[in-house]
Amino acid sequence: ETGVTQSPTHLIKTRGQQVTLRCSSQSGHNTVSWYQQALGQGPQFIFQYYREEENGRGNFPPRFSGLQFPNYSSELNVNALELDDSALYLCASSLGIYNEQFFGPGTRLTVL
Amino acid sequence: KQEVTQIPAALSVPEGENLVLNCSFTDSAIYNLQWFRQDPGKGLTSLLLIQSSQREQTSGRLNASLDKSSGRSTLYIAASQPGDSATYLCAVTERNSWGKLQFGAGTQVVVTP
Repeated sequence: ETGVTQSPTHLIKTRGQQVTLRCSSQSGHNTVSWYQQALGQGPQFIFQYYREEENGRGNFPPRFSGLQFPNYSSELNVNALELDDSALYLCASSLGIYNEQFFGPGTRLTVL
Repeated sequence: KQEVTQIPAALSVPEGENLVLNCSFTDSAIYNLQWFRQDPGKGLTSLLLIQSSQREQTSGRLNASLDKSSGRSTLYIAASQPGDSATYLCAVTERNSWGKLQFGAGTQVVVTP
């Protein structure tokens, strides 16, 4: 059974650019949640996708958007990058919206 | 608004000593509580999940208790080893919250040989 994978591992962008992060969910999981973790803090919920629909959203502006594909993989897109967007971005998959969530290794985004 | 707190922020113990990590939450209307381990710069590894109807869960050297009425959970790690050095995070899932995890800031643990 393959776990949750994320790509890329690291990337560096400049302020104002756009970025796309990718996540492959664990086999059989139909729910993907994205979290942002700033240094020294706990992860903050961005949004969740369930069966290709956005199912819930945290306190993040509309420039954070996402997609879930028929194979339940997912993308997180961030437009107009700001310095404060520098963080570790984590995705988690689960079988259903209230079940145990399994996390990927994360993508470290640095905005200069 | 749910607040999750973990005290202390950091902890250092000698190898072999038992670890006791605390997590408190302000709203007892939770669906479940999860404990995670995070190594520096890495993702989260799920350790234990406790449903709101349960009082505790055990896995190997790990035991987690849940007292929903007082808004507390405790993670016990028996006979600590240097490999247990990591940050431990707890997270609650509230009812009617799309299953989103609300995290504490974590406790950074160092186990010295």
